[in-house]
Amino acid sequence: GENVEQHPSTLSVQEGDSAVIKCTYSDSASNYFPWYKQELGKRPQLIIDIRSNVGEKKDQRIAVTLNKTAKHFSLHITETQPEDSAVYFCASRSSGGYNKLIFGAGTRLAVHP
Amino acid sequence: ETGVTQSPTHLIKTRGQQVTLRCSSQSGHNTVSWYQQALGQGPQFIFQYYREEENGRGNFPPRFSGLQFPNYSSELNVNALELDDSALYLCASSPLLGAETQYFGPGTRLLVL
Repeated sequence: GENVEQHPSTLSVQEGDSAVIKCTYSDSASNYFPWYKQELGKRPQLIIDIRSNVGEKKDQRIAVTLNKTAKHFSLHITETQPEDSAVYFCASRSSGGYNKLIFGAGTRLAVHP
Repeated sequence: ETGVTQSPTHLIKTRGQQVTLRCSSQSGHNTVSWYQQALGQGPQFIFQYYREEENGRGNFPPRFSGLQFPNYSSELNVNALELDDSALYLCASSPLLGAETQYFGPGTRLLVL
């Protein structure tokens, strides 16, 4: 079935370092890959997304890369700050013709001052 | 901050009871999806509504049902509650049926005792 695997489950970095979160999807027909940030007790917020016709997308300190052949996509955060601490979820859009997102299990990122 | 709202914010029920959760989508959004997020996991797709009809469903039993109203607001109903139904229930709206981006509401945290 459709599946998204996400690694690592927890990530601890020092302020200013970079953080990388990796995901693998199973449905080769998936064409849309969003990343959500969820702070404790709050809603998931879309931080960046990428479509299958693009290999890389950047927005200030955040970038996402996509390797369609390997069915991998990754989130890169540079110059991390304490306010980046949250749970990050990757997702892929199902090819089933409606807006079903399949989420990874999440990565808890802690940025230490 | 998105315009998706949900009510109530928290709810406690006992096993076997029924519950109704409500969602008001962002202005102009006609597609609503519901997700269940168990503690420490990523959201799981329950179903999607478009023009007052269900047009996609995840692996949830029939006791999970929904409605969408002409103003695009939506309800999630769960009958015969089980302990495992304890979770955060999120709704997400999209501007169009085929639009990829989904905006999440703050969720309703349901505890089943």
